[in-house]
Amino acid sequence: QQQVKQSPQSLIVQKGGISIINCAYENTAFDYFPWYQQFPGKGPALLIAIRPDVSEKKEGRFTISFNKSAKQFSLHIMDSQPGDSATYFCAANTNAGKSTFGDGTTLTVKP
Amino acid sequence: DAGVIQSPRHEVTEMGQEVTLRCKPISGHNSLFWYRQTMMRGLELLIYFNNNVPIDDSGMPEDRFSAKMPNASFSTLKIQPSEPRDSAVYFCASRSTGSSYNEQFFGPGTRLTVL
Repeated sequence: QQQVKQSPQSLIVQKGGISIINCAYENTAFDYFPWYQQFPGKGPALLIAIRPDVSEKKEGRFTISFNKSAKQFSLHIMDSQPGDSATYFCAANTNAGKSTFGDGTTLTVKP
Repeated sequence: DAGVIQSPRHEVTEMGQEVTLRCKPISGHNSLFWYRQTMMRGLELLIYFNNNVPIDDSGMPEDRFSAKMPNASFSTLKIQPSEPRDSAVYFCASRSTGSSYNEQFFGPGTRLTVL
């Protein structure tokens, strides 16, 4: 049973555009929702995260929007840059720290 | 801090051989996770430890896989005997349960190829 569904699988955006990646979860026990960024040949690295008691969190060009009732959350990358080209994973954590990851989205930002 | 350290970075072996992957978590972190990443299955949690004790090994695919954490600064993932379908990138991650957020810090991974 896939507990975290991520879409789209791949995304191509022009430089300066907005990249949007969506995730949906099923288990209401999840209490922490991180997004990871992974470059080729590297391990995933935390980008931004949110707890379900807030609806939005912004850090620079990256924003998480969270809809608790719909059990959905999304990552928005404003003013996308070629250096943002990477694979992005959403995840959902239990309070024990166990993470369930989405399948990933490969983002390509064209110059 | 050097971050999570994994060795080897690349491993090529033949089917049937034993493979041992190693991980040194970040000092002070008390949770350790082993993941496997493939194109087909994405990022899968294999097993995780809290305070050196295995908490959840439900992701370990078969009895051929075993993991140990003899102390707070070292863990191994062993595959015996290895099979071609075990080819993947294996990541180790660590976390401090004392942190306000549940951030996991990933190592650079070990790329395993089983011929």
